[in-house]
Amino acid sequence: GAGVSQSPRYKVAKRGQDVALRCDPISGHVSLFWYQQALGQGPEFLTYFQNEAQLDKSGLPSDRFFAERPEGSVSTLKIQRTQQEDSAVYLCASSLRWDRGGTAKNIQYFGAGTRLSVL
Amino acid sequence: KNEVEQSPQNLTAQEGEFITINCSYSVGISALHWLQQHPGGGIVSLFMLSSGKKKHGRLIATINIQEKHSSLHITASHPRDSAVYICAVRHNFGNEKLTFGTGTRLTIIP
Repeated sequence: GAGVSQSPRYKVAKRGQDVALRCDPISGHVSLFWYQQALGQGPEFLTYFQNEAQLDKSGLPSDRFFAERPEGSVSTLKIQRTQQEDSAVYLCASSLRWDRGGTAKNIQYFGAGTRLSVL
Repeated sequence: KNEVEQSPQNLTAQEGEFITINCSYSVGISALHWLQQHPGGGIVSLFMLSSGKKKHGRLIATINIQEKHSSLHITASHPRDSAVYICAVRHNFGNEKLTFGTGTRLTIIP
């Protein structure tokens, strides 16, 4: 597809369950971001990849959160032993970063998000 | 205090009115983004700017780096403009992560 694709769109988990959220960025996009958006709030940064390298994971709220992008394209955000406070929409975004001419292309394109509800 | 503050939090206006949404930030930035979020979650980037002014259709975004302030204007507002408008900043050129405001919920009444 042409846009950023996230799956599943909705996930209901029982407290303590592990979940995995998938993000397919736009083909060729170098940078990939994960954000968490609580109800009524703006998104908050979780982590950021350039290709397969995780350059910044300062926003991950605890060591229960883990993200990977092993081949520099698809990324997975994993949450272990989910808690009720993990309930939120998890947004993925990607950006090209640089075009062929070396011009910065930092517009971030967002997926529709995965709405996680932990019961 | 949040690094990015938006005002107002909620705005209701009649169709055709000129709309202004404000964003103030407290840190040095390399760029500021305006984004639109419709119910159901989809976020669309409207503008990315680091100085001056940009215009796209009925939307205008301005930024004053010295005052750490940006505004998003909508001329001849229409009910389809109803959405949440979010301001976000990028702190430096090396790290593209964004810090977001809490958003302004805009409702345009026909």
